[in-house]
Amino acid sequence: AQKITQTQPGMFVQEKEAVTLDCTYDTSDPSYGLFWYKQPSSGEMIFLIYQGSYDQQNATEGRYSLNFQKARKSANLVISASQLGDSAMYYCVMREYNIGNEKLTFGTGTRLTIIP
Amino acid sequence: DAEITQSPRHKITETGRQVTLACHQTWNHNNMFWYRQDLGHGLRLIHYSYGVHDTNKGEVSDGYSVSRSNTEDLPLTLESAASSQTSVYFCASSEPGGATRYFGPGTRLTVL
Repeated sequence: AQKITQTQPGMFVQEKEAVTLDCTYDTSDPSYGLFWYKQPSSGEMIFLIYQGSYDQQNATEGRYSLNFQKARKSANLVISASQLGDSAMYYCVMREYNIGNEKLTFGTGTRLTIIP
Repeated sequence: DAEITQSPRHKITETGRQVTLACHQTWNHNNMFWYRQDLGHGLRLIHYSYGVHDTNKGEVSDGYSVSRSNTEDLPLTLESAASSQTSVYFCASSEPGGATRYFGPGTRLTVL
């Protein structure tokens, strides 16, 4: 079974609209972390947001928020007021602390295109 | 500003040659990592280091080696390059126990 599932290979969103990128995960480790990274066409990996499994509140970083639903094992990324510069590949990533905490498991990514 | 740099950014080499990819960070992070990115696989961990003279194998370490002689640098060596090692390579660093990885810009390696 996939440990990280991103079901939207591509999305097109109108500029200034909010967008939700889906991510579900699978782990039996009670201690884990979830990240979102952005990879624009230039290729670099940019950290966006982090949520720990024991964090009580959903993480927020500027226009980015993480809708963490632990019981459903989902960690959706919400981008408010999308901008043209948000066009990029987005990866949901999990870190499982009990099986070797330096291993990050990447989803296959969602390519987001913002339409002017 | 602190940063991670990788060199070269692009490299073409031939099968069987030894290749070294450089990674240099000025964050003063103890933890450094090498990943490769291939279509359909996301990023996979090759090797990592928790500090000077410490190195550890990741999930796809065969054919690769690293050494850590100082805090700032973690060079990745392909002992005998193979076509299967054509990929984009990312170096990253983090604080000890830190959740966030700071990634370098990547090196695109082509093995012919």
